[in-house]
Amino acid sequence: AQKITQTQPGMFVQEKEAVTLDCTYDTSDPSYGLFWYKQPSSGEMIFLIYQGSYDQQNATEGRYSLNFQKARKSANLVISASQLGDSAMYFCAMREGPDFNKFYFGSGTKLNVKP
Amino acid sequence: NAGVMQNPRHLVRRRGQEARLRCSPMKGHSHVYWYRQLPEEGLKFMVYLQKENIIDESGMPKERFSAEFPKEGPSILRIQQVVRGDSAAYFCASSPPSGIGELFFGEGSRLTVL
Repeated sequence: AQKITQTQPGMFVQEKEAVTLDCTYDTSDPSYGLFWYKQPSSGEMIFLIYQGSYDQQNATEGRYSLNFQKARKSANLVISASQLGDSAMYFCAMREGPDFNKFYFGSGTKLNVKP
Repeated sequence: NAGVMQNPRHLVRRRGQEARLRCSPMKGHSHVYWYRQLPEEGLKFMVYLQKENIIDESGMPKERFSAEFPKEGPSILRIQQVVRGDSAAYFCASSPPSGIGELFFGEGSRLTVL
């Protein structure tokens, strides 16, 4: 079974609108971490936001927020007020394991922001 | 504080040659991960190392691929007798010993096999 599933290969959003990128995960560990990374066309991987499995509140970082629904095992990324510079690949990832050393990535969602 | 340093950024090899990719983690980080990314695809885990110790190599192909992280010097990902299918971006990441455990990535090494 896939550990991280991103079902949207590509998404379009109008500049200044909000967009939600979907992510579901699969784990039986009670302790895990969920991450989102951005990969612009230049190729580097940029850490955006983190949600711990025991965190009660949804994580927020500036225009990024993580819609964490534990029972549904989903960790969707919400980008508010999209900007042209948000056009990139976005990867959802999960860290788990007895030593927290397993780090899995989804297949990514390519976001295009239209002017 | 320098980030994760990978070199070379671009490497071209002919089939049958060897490729060596280097990664120096961030200062204070003792854990190194290697990932492979094919075009338009996600990151595939290859190997996880600590200094002088391979912790998890479950993602490494059984043949031709090896990795090390010596006591001194960078981590090395070695691909022997490269084939066209090895063409990909290889990312190294390191993580600190404490905190939330996010991975800090290098800029990647792009291997092209002719």
